[in-house]
Amino acid sequence: DAEITQSPRHKITETGRQVTLACHQTWNHNNMFWYRQDLGHGLRLIHYSYGVQDTNKGEVSDGYSVSRSNTEDLPLTLESAASSQTSVYFCASSRDLSSSYNEQFFGPGTRLTVL
Amino acid sequence: EDQVTQSPEALRLQEGESSSLNCSYTVSGLRGLFWYRQDPGKGPEFLFTLYSAGEEKEKERLKATLTKKESFLHITAPKPEDSATYLCAVRVRNTDKLIFGTGTRLQVFP
Repeated sequence: DAEITQSPRHKITETGRQVTLACHQTWNHNNMFWYRQDLGHGLRLIHYSYGVQDTNKGEVSDGYSVSRSNTEDLPLTLESAASSQTSVYFCASSRDLSSSYNEQFFGPGTRLTVL
Repeated sequence: EDQVTQSPEALRLQEGESSSLNCSYTVSGLRGLFWYRQDPGKGPEFLFTLYSAGEEKEKERLKATLTKKESFLHITAPKPEDSATYLCAVRVRNTDKLIFGTGTRLQVFP
């Protein structure tokens, strides 16, 4: 069965370190998204990609970067982790806008703690 | 500004006690309204997509409806296993991006 996986599921790091969160999907979807989820804010879009070599900033992109070298993977990098980036991170994927069924499917999440 | 507001924030129901969750939205050019269920420690799970006012979708004890300004998720005779956070999201204009509400946390007691 097709799925979307994230790793690690839990991560503790220190302020200033570079951290990379992995996201891998086997849906063969063109679109991939990264969100963070915090109490009181719901899911907020960090970065997204509509295909290989395409990346775009979401509403809370400062301090984060992504790259898309293939269809299946969209790693999220925190260049210099800050305590404000402590959160739960979700990756999602969907078919492109031309499809009639383009709901987003979510991964299980990564809980990141920055000390 | 595009916005999604869900109410109530939390809802406690007795098993079998039907109720509704509300999702109101302000967005230019709605291209779909989505309902998700999220269990603690897990990612959101897709439930429904609604595209036009008057549309309804059903799945087991859940029914989603859509008007020009809001959507309702009706829960009929809920069971404890329906306890979860229910998220509403809208797709904006001619994009694949979603704007999420902050969710309604539903607890159903036996």
